Amino acid sequence: GAGVSQSPRYKVAKRGQDVALRCDPISGHVSLFWYQQALGQGPEFLTYFQNEAQLDKSGLPSDRFFAERPEGSVSTLKIQRTQQEDSAVYLCASSLAPQTGSNEKLFFGSGTQLSVL
Amino acid sequence: AQSVSQHNHHVILSEAASLELGCNYSYGGTVNLFWYVQYPGQHLQLLLKYFSGDPLVKGIKGFEAEFIKSKFSFNLRKPSVQWSDTAEYFCAAKGRSSASKIIFGSGTRLSIRP
Repeated sequence: GAGVSQSPRYKVAKRGQDVALRCDPISGHVSLFWYQQALGQGPEFLTYFQNEAQLDKSGLPSDRFFAERPEGSVSTLKIQRTQQEDSAVYLCASSLAPQTGSNEKLFFGSGTQLSVL
Repeated sequence: AQSVSQHNHHVILSEAASLELGCNYSYGGTVNLFWYVQYPGQHLQLLLKYFSGDPLVKGIKGFEAEFIKSKFSFNLRKPSVQWSDTAEYFCAAKGRSSASKIIFGSGTRLSIRP
């Protein structure tokens, strides 16, 4: 597609509910990132995929957060037993090259705004 | 610990005023530096980047940034702002090691009075 696509655009969840957020990166992009952006803050790194391999998940805040990219294209970020502090915008970004010292720029999606009540 | 600091949370300027947004980073080793911009209702997009070479880098829409290694700074500048520059600006840094993630600052909201 023309850009990084994320769905849904908005998600309201009751506390304790599981949610799944989808990211369609630009076709052919090797690298895929998930970021969490709280209100008034910059994006915080969650996890990084190179093709289907999850090379860095150091930013995932707890074991309730899980991400996958099984075929090296579409990725899903799953949050189990959501809590109010999970409320944020979840951004997906992709880039053409692997992130091995490269200065490749990231292409961001519009994000999914998650509100946990 | 690796971090990026942006000093100004909200800057308000009149059209044609000059702009400078501060950014400092804390990183062990060599870094790549970026400025990203988010216009109202749009996604984050790259404004400019520094990888190596000339420390004064020019980006889109007349923006430039200067890498000053001794000050660990990468301030964003524009000589004369326009109303259309109203946006949120994020400074970011990435270490040169393999698979190093990009770390963002907290952002500066720029409002331009027409």
